[in-house]
Amino acid sequence: DAGVIQSPRHEVTEMGQEVTLRCKPISGHNSLFWYRQTMMRGLELLIYFNNNVPIDDSGMPEDRFSAKMPNASFSTLKIQPSEPRDSAVYFCASSFSGQGDSPLHFGNGTRLTVT
Amino acid sequence: GENVEQHPSTLSVQEGDSAVIKCTYSDSASNYFPWYKQELGKGPQLIIDIRSNVGEKKDQRIAVTLNKTAKHFSLHITETQPEDSAVYFCAAFSWNTGNQFYFGTGTSLTVIP
Repeated sequence: DAGVIQSPRHEVTEMGQEVTLRCKPISGHNSLFWYRQTMMRGLELLIYFNNNVPIDDSGMPEDRFSAKMPNASFSTLKIQPSEPRDSAVYFCASSFSGQGDSPLHFGNGTRLTVT
Repeated sequence: GENVEQHPSTLSVQEGDSAVIKCTYSDSASNYFPWYKQELGKGPQLIIDIRSNVGEKKDQRIAVTLNKTAKHFSLHITETQPEDSAVYFCAAFSWNTGNQFYFGTGTSLTVIP
């Protein structure tokens, strides 16, 4: 089991640029979550998918953020245009939510710095 | 929605001593409570979990207790070791409130050798 794989591990970009974060969930998991972690706000849920369908995107900060899950093994989180306040660590997590109470498995995150 | 509070935010213990981290939740429909350990530069990793039909669960030096009436649950680490130093997060899952996990704000544990 390779775990949840995120890329890149680090991303440094200039304000206004487009940023794309990538995630490969654990094979067989049918739910995928994108979180943002900052010192000020802790872990914030941005969006989650169930069976590749977005279920709740109420945590997405604004229209600059978008997420897709074209198939069961891949998801992207895009920020366009990026702003310095988007600097944070972005985590992807997956689970098998057949019963709901199964744990999240997190990737090691992408540290985003927007200058 | 669900609200999870976690205390303390920082905790320092001597190696070999016990550490206790406490969380409270607000939604009585929450039924699953995992605990995560996050080391520097890594994602949170599940260390133990408990479901609402159980009052206590133990795995070697780690135990979790749940009091459904009072809506609180706690993580207990005994015989702490320096490698236990990390940030610990509690979480609550509820079908009732968006079918998602709600996380505490984290406890930074330092085990002093």
